[in-house]
Amino acid sequence: KQEVTQIPAALSVPEGENLVLNCSFTDSAIYNLQWFRQDPGKGLTSLLLIQSSQREQTSGRLNASLDKSSGRSTLYIAASQPGDSATYLCAVDTGGFKTIFGAGTRLFVKA
Amino acid sequence: GAGVSQSPRYKVAKRGQDVALRCDPISGHVSLFWYQQALGQGPEFLTYFQNEAQLDKSGLPSDRFFAERPEGSVSTLKIQRTQQEDSAVYLCASSHQPPGLAANNEQFFGPGTRLTVL
Repeated sequence: KQEVTQIPAALSVPEGENLVLNCSFTDSAIYNLQWFRQDPGKGLTSLLLIQSSQREQTSGRLNASLDKSSGRSTLYIAASQPGDSATYLCAVDTGGFKTIFGAGTRLFVKA
Repeated sequence: GAGVSQSPRYKVAKRGQDVALRCDPISGHVSLFWYQQALGQGPEFLTYFQNEAQLDKSGLPSDRFFAERPEGSVSTLKIQRTQQEDSAVYLCASSHQPPGLAANNEQFFGPGTRLTVL
């Protein structure tokens, strides 16, 4: 059974700091991995999708990497800003109908 | 519309009442998913539709939960005889293709319906 774990559960950093969010999964047979952002009271916004054949994806200040063999993905945020404050969720698609989500990392960037 | 929409955004129900939650997916999207998100947790899969066919309902917590997508577009999640443990945010997502067909098949989420059962 696929399980997804995100560490840390919460993170508070000063503005401008570079940071890394971690996601681990127990079954390496994944189809893709998606990182989402969720603002309080809102739905999920897709940030990056990494296909199983890819090692990383980049969008602006965000870079996501994928290491299937070790069951890990990281989301790197460069030069963090207060507007980056949100919950970040990773989700694993195993190619079936279910997408398995982690519990998220709550990020607070202090001005 | 440009994105996935859900209504109502907030619903307060008394224990024992029936509720119906609506999802309008992105036009032309084949796949539609329902998730339940408890406070402080990630979304948990409830059910999946490919067009009008419900292909997976293994995540529905009990037989009080029922979902339909009769014409392959709008979907409704119905909860009968609501209980306090049903209080959660219910999220709907759609994607262009069925799962497993393309590795770049993103899910697009609606804003969710926050259900509070008193």
